[in-house]
Amino acid sequence: AQSVSQHNHHVILSEAASLELGCNYSYGGTVNLFWYVQYPGQHLQLLLKYFSGDPLVKGIKGFEAEFIKSKFSFNLRKPSVQWSDTAEYFCAVNAGNNRKLIWGLGTSLAVNP
Amino acid sequence: NAGVTQTPKFRILKIGQSMTLQCTQDMNHNYMYWYRQDPGMGLKLIYYSVGAGITDKGEVPNGYNVSRSTTEDFPLRLELAAPSQTSVYFCASSYRMNTEAFFGQGTRLTVV
Repeated sequence: AQSVSQHNHHVILSEAASLELGCNYSYGGTVNLFWYVQYPGQHLQLLLKYFSGDPLVKGIKGFEAEFIKSKFSFNLRKPSVQWSDTAEYFCAVNAGNNRKLIWGLGTSLAVNP
Repeated sequence: NAGVTQTPKFRILKIGQSMTLQCTQDMNHNYMYWYRQDPGMGLKLIYYSVGAGITDKGEVPNGYNVSRSTTEDFPLRLELAAPSQTSVYFCASSYRMNTEAFFGQGTRLTVV
């Protein structure tokens, strides 16, 4: 069965630290990849997405992600986090003809000022 | 630009009661979804719809029903509320299945 794995469940960083959140999926064919963010008490919103082309994708608020097909990975990065990045981050994959997005369990990020 | 609107935002139900969570979108999206979110469990798909008159089960459909009589509306019905249905419910819509999903603000439901 297709699955999405987010390795870090809880991450605590200090402001200005660099961030990398892991996301791996299990599907060998064409995929569409997403990172969503959920700020405290708010709904999910799209951070960035990859469909095709340049595997390094830039999103909002200084976030980027790199699609590495050989590793089935789509890790999220930010060079310098801010307190306002405190949120839950979800990786999601739409695989092949599967109609449904497959979601990771999420990573809770806390940034200390 | 309302996007996806869910009502109510909060609700407390007694065991056995029923209720309908409302969801409407103004983006003319064909695809709509209902998810539940539980702590540490991510998002679980309850039901989805690919267009008016067409609905299908997701991962966790038991205890829920949906209808899609119009493109805009996709209500979720709980017939006999159970404590296991205590959760945060999100409605979402998208243009296609593999495009960006837009989420509503969520409904926090407690069943006591």
